[in-house]
Amino acid sequence: GAGVSQSPSNKVTEKGKDVELRCDPISGHTALYWYRQSLGQGLEFLIYFQGNSAPDKSGLPSDRFSAERTGGSVSTLTIQRTQQEDSAVYLCASSLWANTEAFFGQGTRLTVV
Amino acid sequence: AQSVSQHNHHVILSEAASLELGCNYSYGGTVNLFWYVQYPGQHLQLLLKYFSGDPLVKGIKGFEAEFIKSKFSFNLRKPSVQWSDTAEYFCAVTRGAAGNKLTFGGGTRVLVKP
Repeated sequence: GAGVSQSPSNKVTEKGKDVELRCDPISGHTALYWYRQSLGQGLEFLIYFQGNSAPDKSGLPSDRFSAERTGGSVSTLTIQRTQQEDSAVYLCASSLWANTEAFFGQGTRLTVV
Repeated sequence: AQSVSQHNHHVILSEAASLELGCNYSYGGTVNLFWYVQYPGQHLQLLLKYFSGDPLVKGIKGFEAEFIKSKFSFNLRKPSVQWSDTAEYFCAVTRGAAGNKLTFGGGTRVLVKP
């Protein structure tokens, strides 16, 4: 596709369940980011993939959060044993290289009930 | 640790007023600076960026930003705002020539009253 695609666009889950959020970056982009945007808050960095380098996981809030990027393309963010405080919009972005413009997807709105 | 500060959380102004949003970063080395905008119901998009060269950068929709290295600042300006500029504005930084994660400030919500 022409842009960054995220799925699902909305997800409602029960507390304690696991969820998987998917990101399809722009083809050929080597850098991929995950951010979390909570109501009234800024963008909280979660994880950053750059090419074949080890990902920067310094923003993951707990060990319930993990992410992988397969084949340098699609990425999946997994949240295990979801909690109500995990409710937020999860944004994915990709860029051609580090330091170039990041293109954002529309986000996945996660609601934990 | 690298941090980005946006001092104004909310700004309300009337059409035709001038806008200036502050952004300061904490890293002393080479930085690359960005302003992103999120219009209501839309995804984040790039307004402008600075990598090197002329510290006064012009972006889309009449926005500009000035990099002042001595002040660790990259303030966004627009001489005359329109109602359609109502949005949330985010300053962001990457560090070093090789680049690393894109770190965002907390955002500034701008409401332009018609």
